[in-house]
Amino acid sequence: EADIYQTPRYLVIGTGKKITLECSQTMGHDKMYWYQQDPGMELHLIHYSYGVNSTEKGDLSSESTVSRIRTEHFPLTLESARPSHTSQYLCASSARQGVWEKLFFGSGTQLSVL
Amino acid sequence: RKEVEQDPGPFNVPEGATVAFNCTYSNSASQSFFWYRQDCRKEPKLLMSVYSSGNEDGRFTAQLNRASQYISLLIRDSKLSDSATYLCVVSEAAGNKLTFGGGTRVLVKP
Repeated sequence: EADIYQTPRYLVIGTGKKITLECSQTMGHDKMYWYQQDPGMELHLIHYSYGVNSTEKGDLSSESTVSRIRTEHFPLTLESARPSHTSQYLCASSARQGVWEKLFFGSGTQLSVL
Repeated sequence: RKEVEQDPGPFNVPEGATVAFNCTYSNSASQSFFWYRQDCRKEPKLLMSVYSSGNEDGRFTAQLNRASQYISLLIRDSKLSDSATYLCVVSEAAGNKLTFGGGTRVLVKP
């Protein structure tokens, strides 16, 4: 089993609140990712990091921001939550195993903004 | 055109039957290919990597066709527990960003 953890598992919050979704991994992986996924829809990469102090925007534009101050920690922040931010947010990390880049996912945070 | 495309399904499969589906990719420089499985409201989990020569893991067989730029997944003797969404994942090279397909939903029924 992968050692990557996301908290909270579920979050219901009102519009305008600042929220931070936590993601931590204990595998020492340099690469970490945030994906957004609506029910029954495909995964969209919103942020990724290839190491400490490295962050990049993904394929899908997002109003969220991320930081990578420590290898094991990759939090995602929404300064002012809106109903359109309601979605599942999946954090992942990856490690190279031979020629393969193996991706490990956290259990996700289901965010509902009222 | 999406970089990685899959038939969304659902594929309704009788228990014990065989089901197969493909995933096409547009980047001819793609080098690494994977199948992930995602259960409803759960995180994706690696099912199997796809080798150039094709590979088998129990009831699951993955194949790569570079000429036509697609990978396939075949499930034999389907079980009810095989019901899930199967995600195709492609990357240009090891270490590069992984691109997900939209997933193919499989429903195995008694």
